[in-house]
Amino acid sequence: AQKITQTQPGMFVQEKEAVTLDCTYDTSDQSYGLFWYKQPSSGEMIFLIYQGSYDEQNATEGRYSLNFQKARKSANLVISASQLGDSAMYFCGAEAGFGNEKLTFGTGTRLTIIP
Amino acid sequence: GAGVSQSPRYKVAKRGQDVALRCDPISGHVSLFWYQQALGQGPEFLTYFQNEAQLDKSGLPSDRFFAERPEGSVSTLKIQRTQQEDSAVYLCASSRLQGNSYNEQFFGPGTRLTVL
Repeated sequence: AQKITQTQPGMFVQEKEAVTLDCTYDTSDQSYGLFWYKQPSSGEMIFLIYQGSYDEQNATEGRYSLNFQKARKSANLVISASQLGDSAMYFCGAEAGFGNEKLTFGTGTRLTIIP
Repeated sequence: GAGVSQSPRYKVAKRGQDVALRCDPISGHVSLFWYQQALGQGPEFLTYFQNEAQLDKSGLPSDRFFAERPEGSVSTLKIQRTQQEDSAVYLCASSRLQGNSYNEQFFGPGTRLTVL
């Protein structure tokens, strides 16, 4: 079983600044995946980025990067050059193994970008 | 191509009524997941199908919850004798079935259920 902790209920960031959203996880699985989803006010979950537990390089997808520190069990999301459209809820999550597994999510961080 | 669709988008039920929520996954996606998202919380896993087989239903909160996917495509989540605590957004997600690599789960827009 996995447990995801997101300690920042809300964050306010000036437009164009970088922002780091914190995520720590607890799992007994040897193989696991970590990921981030964005949920705008419209409600749909939008996949952002994925990191496998055996991946040595931090994952990057455009303006998103995942700062993976395995020993500290953290998987922070970094958004560079924030935009107004980045305002949304962000959920960190994990799955046991790789692929076709149920996802376990944290409670989320509400990010608000200030113009 | 079309994404995951869910219907209805909004459902209001009186306590004790039965409801049925529909999910149309992306064509060709073998895996289908249902999640429940309470207000202010992250989604929580309910059940998982691979084609028509329900491989995991460990997250269903009670025997009032039932899910099916009889032909391996469309899925229905049924809640019998709804209670106020069932009020939540019900999210459906689908993914391809591949080997040992991450398969992104594509989510639908959800059905917001309100039980009065």
